[in-house]
Amino acid sequence: ILNVEQSPQSLHVQEGDSTNFTCSFPSSNFYALHWYRWETAKSPEALFVMTLNGDEKKKGRISATLNTKEGYSYLYIKGSQPEDSATYLCAPRGGGNQFYFGTGTSLTVIP
Amino acid sequence: GAVVSQHPSWVICKSGTSVKIECRSLDFQATTMFWYRQFPKQSLMLMATSNEGSKATYEQGVEKDKFLINHASLTLSTLTVTSAHPEDSSFYICSASIRQNSNQPQHFGDGTRLSIL
Repeated sequence: ILNVEQSPQSLHVQEGDSTNFTCSFPSSNFYALHWYRWETAKSPEALFVMTLNGDEKKKGRISATLNTKEGYSYLYIKGSQPEDSATYLCAPRGGGNQFYFGTGTSLTVIP
Repeated sequence: GAVVSQHPSWVICKSGTSVKIECRSLDFQATTMFWYRQFPKQSLMLMATSNEGSKATYEQGVEKDKFLINHASLTLSTLTVTSAHPEDSSFYICSASIRQNSNQPQHFGDGTRLSIL
């Protein structure tokens, strides 16, 4: 089992604000890191799959970076919109095939 | 593409009942599926890895005899909560990826809310 921490646990931002949150994971035996977005009453949706140290991925207003040496990843949202309100989960994968999810960051964007 | 269907979405039953939850990959074959459980205000906890044609691999602390997993085909895995009790009430969700041992993202079902009275 991997110990995965996400911070902050919850976040409220005004529409138009940019925000970011953190995923921390053990740096040893790293294989890949996934980010998911989970809206209420829906299933988790994959955002990014990151594997290499220094990776940067972008999807619209959302981007993520990865530091495997120190064991963290940042997720950034530029110009937050109400539809960005969701729980954002990270899930690193070790040498096995399993994914271990962090506790998530619950984002609420206030119109 | 890559749709995972989970059924039922909501179950309410009496203590002592066994409950079966199905997870199907609708448009791809999944040799491996994963079962998670979510406690209130907590994240997804991996329960077990379901392997087609072989025994499931359970995470530490998960009772094999309590949570029976069967992966009889490349598109279907089932989780049976045997003799369910109120402490088994939880949200259960499955996932699958298109290729095993790869960095493909997981595709999730919609989850099952289980309430044991």
